[in-house]
Amino acid sequence: AQSVAQPEDQVNVAEGNPLTVKCTYSVSGNPYLFWYVQYPNRGLQFLLKYITGDNLVKGSYGFEAEFNKSQTSFHLKKPSALVSDSALYFCAVRGVINAGNNRKLIWGLGTSLAVNP
Amino acid sequence: DTEVTQTPKHLVMGMTNKKSLKCEQHMGHRAMYWYKQKAKKPPELMFVYSYEKLSINESVPSRFSPECPNSSLLNLHLHALQPEDSALYLCASSLTGQDRNRDEQYFGPGTRLTVT
Repeated sequence: AQSVAQPEDQVNVAEGNPLTVKCTYSVSGNPYLFWYVQYPNRGLQFLLKYITGDNLVKGSYGFEAEFNKSQTSFHLKKPSALVSDSALYFCAVRGVINAGNNRKLIWGLGTSLAVNP
Repeated sequence: DTEVTQTPKHLVMGMTNKKSLKCEQHMGHRAMYWYKQKAKKPPELMFVYSYEKLSINESVPSRFSPECPNSSLLNLHLHALQPEDSALYLCASSLTGQDRNRDEQYFGPGTRLTVT
């Protein structure tokens, strides 16, 4: 079965400390991986994606993610957390073939990040 | 301009009402999406339009009726909804390049729908 797991419902980190939000996946073939963030009462915003190439992907707002094929992981990281990073983070992967050769986007359940001042 | 706009921001409707949600993007994207999202849950795909044609319907009840009048606009017509349809409805768009599966999606702020 093709799936995405975000093993932590909630992550708490102090402002200025590094943060990691975990994501593991199970998908056939080469994975296309995405991270999105949702601030309270807002739509989702694209942060970064891995398609191919360098395993370390840099994205918006100082976030980066490391693709690890052997561990089937795509963890989101930031060297120094800000209070304004507090939000709900979703990992997603392109999975099964759907109509028109589209690969359906499979979403993780989300991780709520709280950055404490 | 990387903005997707949605109107209205909030909508309260009775179960016998007919209303419409609107979405607009001017990024030249040729794929547009409707999602339903419950609080603190991932978005659930409802419909996908590709080049103004409906390409995916995720077995959505017929009380939801999508429409794509042109490449920039997407509507969702609502009729005879149920209270369990109350949710945040998100519109998104993506470029649809040579390999559409590589494209990220850009989301609007959503319409908060309450069915009474």
